[in-house]
Amino acid sequence: GAGVSQSPRYKVAKRGQDVALRCDPISGHVSLFWYQQALGQGPEFLTYFQNEAQLDKSGLPSDRFFAERPEGSVSTLKIQRTQQEDSAVYLCASSQYRAFGNQPQHFGDGTRLSIL
Amino acid sequence: AQSVAQPEDQVNVAEGNPLTVKCTYSVSGNPYLFWYVQYPNRGLQFLLKYITGDNLVKGSYGFEAEFNKSQTSFHLKKPSALVSDSALYFCAVRDIKAAGNKLTFGGGTRVLVKP
Repeated sequence: GAGVSQSPRYKVAKRGQDVALRCDPISGHVSLFWYQQALGQGPEFLTYFQNEAQLDKSGLPSDRFFAERPEGSVSTLKIQRTQQEDSAVYLCASSQYRAFGNQPQHFGDGTRLSIL
Repeated sequence: AQSVAQPEDQVNVAEGNPLTVKCTYSVSGNPYLFWYVQYPNRGLQFLLKYITGDNLVKGSYGFEAEFNKSQTSFHLKKPSALVSDSALYFCAVRDIKAAGNKLTFGGGTRVLVKP
């Protein structure tokens, strides 16, 4: 079946521009996660949705980062006034159930964001 | 707080030899533990998980991992490595007692299997 789909795969923006990254989770998956992966490092948690509710946004690095999932399926991560340190791969993951956290997360291929 | 350490940046092994990738964790409660593999320009692919029960967990592509509570470790193993196993491997943990469902990942270990 279809996996997690992210678009665009690559995004280049000038410093100060706003960007929007899209994630299409696996159909029927309740939980959705965003991670930031810097070059040569492990993914770092940004935010978590259960259906349309954003239950944890403790990993968002600043108020320039905003995520939404208005209908409980597709999610968008928006970064305003981008800075060079925002350059990274942004990974989206979904999992089937809401509770317990013992289900594996299924990852998309990510969006590689480069800020010039 | 939950954390993961992968002490080796890179592991080199000859094809056909056993492969071990080390992982230690720290949680305040009991852990859920996961291993993922990442190929170039791809997302993370789930290999296996430990939730409860048998300390030896078997996963995809012949990989297994052993949960050791006293040593707070969850090392990934494969009896006979293949060249195609060359990739970046990540260990991840979630503290059962922690609020939310976020995973904390280690820094990754690059595995290079030489023919």
